[in-house]
Amino acid sequence: DVKVTQSSRYLVKRTGEKVFLECVQDMDHENMFWYRQDPGLGLRLIYFSYDVKMKEKGDIPEGYSVSREKKERFSLILESASTNQTSMYLCASSAGTSRGELFFGEGSRLTVL
Amino acid sequence: AQKVTQAQTEISVVEKEDVTLDCVYETRDTTYYLFWYKQPPSGELVFLIRRNSFDEQNEISGRYSWNFQKSTSSFNFTITASQVVDSAVYFCALSTLSGGATNKLIFGTGTLLAVQP
Repeated sequence: DVKVTQSSRYLVKRTGEKVFLECVQDMDHENMFWYRQDPGLGLRLIYFSYDVKMKEKGDIPEGYSVSREKKERFSLILESASTNQTSMYLCASSAGTSRGELFFGEGSRLTVL
Repeated sequence: AQKVTQAQTEISVVEKEDVTLDCVYETRDTTYYLFWYKQPPSGELVFLIRRNSFDEQNEISGRYSWNFQKSTSSFNFTITASQVVDSAVYFCALSTLSGGATNKLIFGTGTLLAVQP
């Protein structure tokens, strides 16, 4: 059974803290993605990666960075969390030839106080 | 520019009613893919269907059906005889080759479907 696992379902952090959101997939997928989901805005792509150590900016990369040291793991980093980064963060993965069939994790709800 | 519009923010129906979720897309590409994803209360989006721009055949899968019309740039999703388990947020999405890759999806804002018993 395919699986994308996000390390934390709920996090509460303070403004200025460094935040790590971890995502692991067990399907040997080449592609991994971080989306942010906000009411009325749908899902917006933050960063994605097509290979180990490779990353590309999505539509809203400001304030975020990512790391992909191993194929199965894709981390989202908030260097200095701000209140406007309070959101639901969704990780997804896909095979290189999947033509858009993404597998999602359950999401990490981050609150920045 | 690529864009997906889901004008219906919330829909509420009673069990066994049919319901159609609307999706309108914008792209100048001639090659593109359209998708529907379901997000149940657990939060994990689940892939439902993919159509490519060269295949306008409608598709039926059990109680689900999809109507793809290039003339109106629409890709609507109908649930027949809705059930409480259909309650979820449904997202329509688009990917294009000029958008970077066929795996880079642009999502609509989603439609919350509530099916009342």
